[in-house]
Amino acid sequence: DTGVSQNPRHKITKRGQNVTFRCDPISEHNRLYWYRQTLGQGPEFLTYFQNEAQLEKSRLLSDRFSAERPKGSFSTLEIQRTEQGDSAMYLCASSLVAGGTETQYFGPGTRLLVL
Amino acid sequence: AQSVTQLGSHVSVSEGALVLLRCNYSSSVPPYLFWYVQYPNQGLQLLLKYTSAATLVKGINGFEAEFKKSETSFHLTKPSAHMSDAAEYFCAVIVPNFGNEKLTFGTGTRLTIIP
Repeated sequence: DTGVSQNPRHKITKRGQNVTFRCDPISEHNRLYWYRQTLGQGPEFLTYFQNEAQLEKSRLLSDRFSAERPKGSFSTLEIQRTEQGDSAMYLCASSLVAGGTETQYFGPGTRLLVL
Repeated sequence: AQSVTQLGSHVSVSEGALVLLRCNYSSSVPPYLFWYVQYPNQGLQLLLKYTSAATLVKGINGFEAEFKKSETSFHLTKPSAHMSDAAEYFCAVIVPNFGNEKLTFGTGTRLTIIP
């Protein structure tokens, strides 16, 4: 069990550019979540997948954001036409739903800075 | 909708002293409650969770929390603080609804340990 990994760990981009983040969950975990954490705040839910299906998106997720989990394994989060307000830590978590309460395991996050 | 309130954005304790981090929740149905710890520039690590079994929950690193329904509280404690406990702590709630078990986080408490 190698844990949840995220790449890149840091990303600096200019306003208007597109960025893509990758999350590799714990193998065999069927749920994958994306959260966003801004400075001084707790993480906020963005979206989640059950296997390859994206089942819910937060109102925080504007049309510029898109997430995929094409084969039910890794996931990508893309932000188009980045804005300075997108600067945040993007956290990925995975869990195994198998009866009872799932426990979400978090990756180290990708810190995005939009200049 | 569920919510979590963490009283005290910053808490300082002396090394060896009692640690008490406060968390109150709001939920229309019996919730599941979690405490996560976050070290600088890292993701979140699960300390402990309450899932309607024993009300006193023991976690890693000597932490424990007690679920008190009458007070809608889930405070985190540790009898003797260690320098390595310095970090940000987040209380979170899940409202089980057989669907999206997204975590709703509080705003966090930064714990400082005084040598």
